[in-house]
Amino acid sequence: DAGVTQSPTHLIKTRGQQVTLRCSPKSGHDTVSWYQQALGQGPQFIFQYYEEEERQRGNFPDRFSGHQFPNYSSELNVNALLLGDSALYLCASSVTGSMATQYFGPGTRLLVL
Amino acid sequence: QKEVEQNSGPLSVPEGAIASLNCTYSDRGSQSFFWYRQYSGKSPELIMSIYSNGDKEDGRFTAQLNKASQYVSLLIRDSQPSDSATYLCAVNRDGGSQGNLIFGKGTKLSVKP
Repeated sequence: DAGVTQSPTHLIKTRGQQVTLRCSPKSGHDTVSWYQQALGQGPQFIFQYYEEEERQRGNFPDRFSGHQFPNYSSELNVNALLLGDSALYLCASSVTGSMATQYFGPGTRLLVL
Repeated sequence: QKEVEQNSGPLSVPEGAIASLNCTYSDRGSQSFFWYRQYSGKSPELIMSIYSNGDKEDGRFTAQLNKASQYVSLLIRDSQPSDSATYLCAVNRDGGSQGNLIFGKGTKLSVKP
């Protein structure tokens, strides 16, 4: 049973560029959440997708957007990259109605120069 | 007041000892609580979830929850060097499947052989 997968594993971009990160949830999971983890900090919630719609959003600017596809996979897009966007981006999947037990993928490490 | 607080450590224990990790949270409406283990450079891995007051045991791990005191802890018995990692406490503030996770900054545990 495949767990949560993410791509790419690492990415280097320059300020002002745009980036797309991808996530495939664990088999049987229908909800995808995205988190940003800066060095030395706990993960911070960006947003959550269910039934192809954004269900909840954390305190992140509109530069951060996402999408969920009919097969439950998801994308995170970040526009106009800033140096401060350098972080580990984590995708977590869960099953609606399961008390939100979330399982994390391996993450994408983004470096903005 | 931060929503989820943990001592950053490092917490150092000798091999075979009991490691005790603590976490407090500010929102009394929180309904589910999680402990994740994160090795350096890796993504968080779910260790325990707990929803009701009291203790929950799984192998060498015991999670304890006291909602009246807004306190959750993790005990690791017979600590091994492989337990050396950062332990993240996470709280689902909204409950159910729609809630996002609020994380503490994590406690770094070092188990010395």
